[in-house]
Amino acid sequence: NAGVTQTPKFQVLKTGQSMTLQCAQDMNHEYMSWYRQDPGMGLRLIHYSVGAGITDQGEVPNGYNVSRSTTEDFPLRLLSAAPSQTSVYFCASSRVYVNTEAFFGQGTRLTVV
Amino acid sequence: GIQVEQSPPDLILQEGANSTLRCNFSDSVNNLQWFHQNPWGQLINLFYIPSGTKQNGRLSATTVATERYSLLYISSSQTTDSGVYFCAVRRGTSYGKLTFGQGTILTVHP
Repeated sequence: NAGVTQTPKFQVLKTGQSMTLQCAQDMNHEYMSWYRQDPGMGLRLIHYSVGAGITDQGEVPNGYNVSRSTTEDFPLRLLSAAPSQTSVYFCASSRVYVNTEAFFGQGTRLTVV
Repeated sequence: GIQVEQSPPDLILQEGANSTLRCNFSDSVNNLQWFHQNPWGQLINLFYIPSGTKQNGRLSATTVATERYSLLYISSSQTTDSGVYFCAVRRGTSYGKLTFGQGTILTVHP
């Protein structure tokens, strides 16, 4: 059981470049989300989805785009990378209508130069 | 939105010591989780504990939902316990959204 899988683990981008962070889960969870972790600030919610075709903004959505075409996948797109987006990104999944625990991927460490 | 406060922010222990980490939250929740972020950055699920008490080896956790706090106990600490401990909560109206505390940085010296 793979759980939540994120790729890549590390990435360096130049300012203005675009890229997609991949996230996949095999637990048939309805809810998927992206967080960013910055030093001293804990984890903050970027975007989330409660099912295929349904997405919404979290606390810090600017500069990021998401879509959810399948239950399993929830990619995060950086449209034009900025140094302020240097961070560690985590994808998570859980059930929506049943109170169970959330599971996190291993994280993607992104540096924008 | 809901506020989550963790204390202490930093904790330094000698191997073998016991410790208690606290998580206070500002509103009723239907999900509370404790995570350990190891030195490699991975978030490890420790406990799913919206109420009551659970134990897993040297770790145990208690959540008193009516008083809006949770405690994580670490006994006979080991150097491998070092890292950051996060508390995260979910409200009943928030689908799967978790709100995290700022974390407690634990350092265990040999």
